[in-house]
Amino acid sequence: DAGVIQSPRHEVTEMGQEVTLRCKPISGHDYLFWYRQTMMRGLELLIYFNNNVPIDDSGMPEDRFSAKMPNASFSTLKIQPSEPRDSAVYFCASTLAGGPSDTQYFGPGTRLTVL
Amino acid sequence: QQQVKQSPQSLIVQKGGISIINCAYENTAFDYFPWYQQFPGKGPALLIAIRPDVSEKKEGRFTISFNKSAKQFSLHIMDSQPGDSATYFCAASVNFGNEKLTFGTGTRLTIIP
Repeated sequence: DAGVIQSPRHEVTEMGQEVTLRCKPISGHDYLFWYRQTMMRGLELLIYFNNNVPIDDSGMPEDRFSAKMPNASFSTLKIQPSEPRDSAVYFCASTLAGGPSDTQYFGPGTRLTVL
Repeated sequence: QQQVKQSPQSLIVQKGGISIINCAYENTAFDYFPWYQQFPGKGPALLIAIRPDVSEKKEGRFTISFNKSAKQFSLHIMDSQPGDSATYFCAASVNFGNEKLTFGTGTRLTIIP
């Protein structure tokens, strides 16, 4: 298996632009997580899905952030409009049935820079 | 309180030495404590995990020590090697994995020759 796939790996955009991050979880995994990593705040859970349904979005910082999972093999995290403080590495992770704390397999991340 | 506090923020250890990273928690309902390892440019990966019914778990050179009464747990890396240089995150969850993980802020470990 190729593992969790994220695209793009790097994104540089200007303030106010829309940014869409993409994730393909490991086949057969039924939980999908979006995290944000910064030096100041470490690894923060933004939202997670179970069987394509959002379960907990309490970590989404504000309405500018939205996430969707239209099917079991694809999820997006959208930021609109983007701001410089959104600059971070965004990780997607997935896990097999058992619970959201079972071994999470992380993707390589998307490094977002908002100028 | 769902917070997990991790220390130190960074750690430098000589090759062959013991690296120790500590975490403390407030929520007594936490019942699953994994450690994740992250190399530069990569996502975190599960290293080792423990449940509170045991006080210690060892896998190779990596050991988790758990002190339920003090609400603390720690990662020990014996005979530390340059290849262990990475960022380490502790985490905790409630309900035997049926709730989301709460991560510590991470420790950047550097092993010097």
